[in-house]
Amino acid sequence: ETGVTQTPRHLVMGMTNKKSLKCEQHLGHNAMYWYKQSAKKPLELMFVYSLEERVENNSVPSRFSPECPNSSHLFLHLHTLQPEDSALYLCASSQDGHRANSPLHFGNGTRLTVT
Amino acid sequence: QQQVKQSPQSLIVQKGGISIINCAYENTAFDYFPWYQQFPGKGPALLIAIRPDVSEKKEGRFTISFNKSAKQFSLHIMDSQPGDSATYFCAASTPSNAGGTSYGKLTFGQGTILTVHP
Repeated sequence: ETGVTQTPRHLVMGMTNKKSLKCEQHLGHNAMYWYKQSAKKPLELMFVYSLEERVENNSVPSRFSPECPNSSHLFLHLHTLQPEDSALYLCASSQDGHRANSPLHFGNGTRLTVT
Repeated sequence: QQQVKQSPQSLIVQKGGISIINCAYENTAFDYFPWYQQFPGKGPALLIAIRPDVSEKKEGRFTISFNKSAKQFSLHIMDSQPGDSATYFCAASTPSNAGGTSYGKLTFGQGTILTVHP
């Protein structure tokens, strides 16, 4: 397995459910990211982890809770979501999170639908 | 000031034609300008990138033109092929600092859906 792997690919959850998104990178990178992709909107940065330390929480509601147990794994814990949270959630990694020109490597995303 | 404005939202080109996507920015602190390509069901992937001290960068059929004074940059796809049909995102990056830790922060444009007809 190479690259950035996200599971599950699709998730349908009710507003009272608790679920988690998982991301794993096999590239030896030191930074990992969560982005939200909604139709006709720019990709929105949610969280950044560099060397397993959270360095950015981009005004994301507390119903989204990230976890980075090590440099290869990233989770996004979801609870009490709203229908407007339905979107494609993308995980990414980069070799050196401190450099502005370190390319992002994205996973294929989790398509989340909140009913 | 952190926005990157991308146009057009959608573009239809005939096979063999030239596809042109434009982006504009305001923040002069941006110092790295990548383009990402996204196919349906896949995550975005880096296509080509440029730094502001260069006016043009070419990789195969893909060229970035950069105009620093106008704060604009564009992607040109020469000899467009049906396999180029995808969504293209421009982006701009600047070093950011949060909690005493620096990291590269990417700001994306809204995306352009390119369709190349055979």
